[in-house]
Amino acid sequence: GENVEQHPSTLSVQEGDSAVIKCTYSDSASNYFPWYKQELGKRPQLIIDIRSNVGEKKDQRIAVTLNKTAKHFSLHITETQPEDSAVYFCAASGGTYKYIFGTGTRLKVLA
Amino acid sequence: DSGVTQTPKHLITATGQRVTLRCSPRSGDLSVYWYQQSLDQGLQFLIHYYNGEERAKGNILERFSAQQFPDLHSELNLSSLELGDSALYFCASSVTPDTGELFFGEGSRLTVL
Repeated sequence: GENVEQHPSTLSVQEGDSAVIKCTYSDSASNYFPWYKQELGKRPQLIIDIRSNVGEKKDQRIAVTLNKTAKHFSLHITETQPEDSAVYFCAASGGTYKYIFGTGTRLKVLA
Repeated sequence: DSGVTQTPKHLITATGQRVTLRCSPRSGDLSVYWYQQSLDQGLQFLIHYYNGEERAKGNILERFSAQQFPDLHSELNLSSLELGDSALYFCASSVTPDTGELFFGEGSRLTVL
């Protein structure tokens, strides 16, 4: 069945450093790859997404890269700030009407 | 505010009982997804409805069922509740049935004692 693996499960970085979170998906039909941020006690919210016809997308300090051949996609956050501390989820969807999330990465930005 | 409304926000009940969680999607959104999030866990996909029809099922237990009504609101019914069903249940809606941004409600926190 469909599966999305996400690593690492926890990540601590110093303020100003970069953070990278990686995901692997199993369903070849997937064509949409979003990333959500969930702050403590709140609902997940979309921060960036990428479609299968694009290899990279950037929005200010965050970027996402996609390698369709390897079924990998990654989130890159540069110049991290304390407010970036949260749980980040990758997801994959498209073709099956399922919207499958990874297991989440708890990012801590140390001041 | 995402525009997705979930009720109740909190619910405490006993094992063996049945509860109904309600979700009103954003105006114009035809897709409704349900997810279960246990303590410090990920978002487990339960079920997806589009315009009143079931489109996909995930790891949803047989004790759980859902439906989407003509006015597009959705209900998730959980029966014969067990301690392990305690979790935060999220509803999310989207315009399209398979891709695009999901807008999440605030969630319904279920505690089974």
